[in-house]
Amino acid sequence: KAGVTQTPRYLIKTRGQQVTLSCSPISGHRSVSWYQQTPGQGLQFLFEYFSETQRNKGNFPGRFSGRQFSNSRSEMNVSTLELGDSALYLCASSSWTGGYEQYFGPGTRLTVT
Amino acid sequence: DQQVKQNSPSLSVQEGRISILNCDYTNSMFDYFLWYKKYPAEGPTFLISISSIKDKNEDGRFTVFLNKSAKHLSLHIVPSQPGDSAVYFCAASGALGYALNFGKGTSLLVTP
Repeated sequence: KAGVTQTPRYLIKTRGQQVTLSCSPISGHRSVSWYQQTPGQGLQFLFEYFSETQRNKGNFPGRFSGRQFSNSRSEMNVSTLELGDSALYLCASSSWTGGYEQYFGPGTRLTVT
Repeated sequence: DQQVKQNSPSLSVQEGRISILNCDYTNSMFDYFLWYKKYPAEGPTFLISISSIKDKNEDGRFTVFLNKSAKHLSLHIVPSQPGDSAVYFCAASGALGYALNFGKGTSLLVTP
């Protein structure tokens, strides 16, 4: 089975712009979660989707949003980018209704200048 | 607030010896615990997990121990190999498992 794929792998944006990141889960996985990794805060949960519905959300401002499509692919969007949004954004998928073992993609490295 | 803590940022072990990585948590509602390994420029790779109803789970060279009363878990790697050098993250989730709470990681270096 192919693993979790994320596009693009690297992205450079300017403050104030918006960005959309994409994630394709492992075939058959219906749950997709997003995490932000920064040197200071470590890995932090953004949100989780299952069957196109957001089931849980972490403690991030409303500038961070996401969605899931009927084929389980997911996108996350960050509007009005700030310098502090520079991070590695990781997507993870899991196979059943509970998260438990989540399988991560390689991430998208976002740099905001 | 950091609900999962890995208090040792780094650990160095000789090849063939045991590596012990520790993790503490504060939320008694956590029901499931996982360890991930991460190389630079890659996403975390799932290693091993344990449910709160168990106190030990083994998978090859990797064993995870859970002490619920102390809110502590540890990962033992025996024997350690140079290829094990990576950052190891401890993670925990509640019963619904929607979100993983991660520690900040321990960088393991296994020297020949």
